[in-house]
Amino acid sequence: QQQVKQSPQSLIVQKGGISIINCAYENTAFDYFPWYQQFPGKGPALLIAIRPDVSEKKEGRFTISFNKSAKQFSLHIMDSQPGDSATYFCAASSSGNTPLVFGKGTRLSVIA
Amino acid sequence: NAGVMQNPRHLVRRRGQEARLRCSPMKGHSHVYWYRQLPEEGLKFMVYLQKENIIDESGMPKERFSAEFPKEGPSILRIQQVVRGDSAAYFCASSPTLGQGLQQYFGPGTRLTVT
Repeated sequence: QQQVKQSPQSLIVQKGGISIINCAYENTAFDYFPWYQQFPGKGPALLIAIRPDVSEKKEGRFTISFNKSAKQFSLHIMDSQPGDSATYFCAASSSGNTPLVFGKGTRLSVIA
Repeated sequence: NAGVMQNPRHLVRRRGQEARLRCSPMKGHSHVYWYRQLPEEGLKFMVYLQKENIIDESGMPKERFSAEFPKEGPSILRIQQVVRGDSAAYFCASSPTLGQGLQQYFGPGTRLTVT
């Protein structure tokens, strides 16, 4: 049973456009939602994370929007650049001794 | 402050051999997680360890796989009698303090190929 569903599987965006990746979770015990960026041959790198007490968090060009009632959260990349081309993973965990549960990833390609 | 270190970066084993993957967490981190990533898939949790203790191994296959995090030295993920299905990228992550941000920092991974 997949606990975190991520969409789309792949995404192509023009340079300067907005990239939007969505995730939905099932476990209401989740209270920590990070996004990771992974380049080919590299490990995932923490990009931005949010807790349910806020509905939005922004760091530079990256914004997480969180909808607790719908159990959904999304990543927005503003002014997308070719260097943003990577695979993005959403994840979730709950406080305490629990590991991260990952979505299956979105492969983003930003084209000039 | 060095990041999470893993070695080897690439490992080739024949079926039936043993694979040993090592992970040194970030300085000051005492929690280590191991994840497995199959091609075109997300990361799947395997095991969570603290120094000298296995906290959660619910994601690890019951046979052939074991993990340890000794008082001194790196954490080790051991796969005995490897099979082709074990071919994957294995990542470890470390975190500083339980419940404090829950931020996990990942190493570069070990890519295991079983021939």
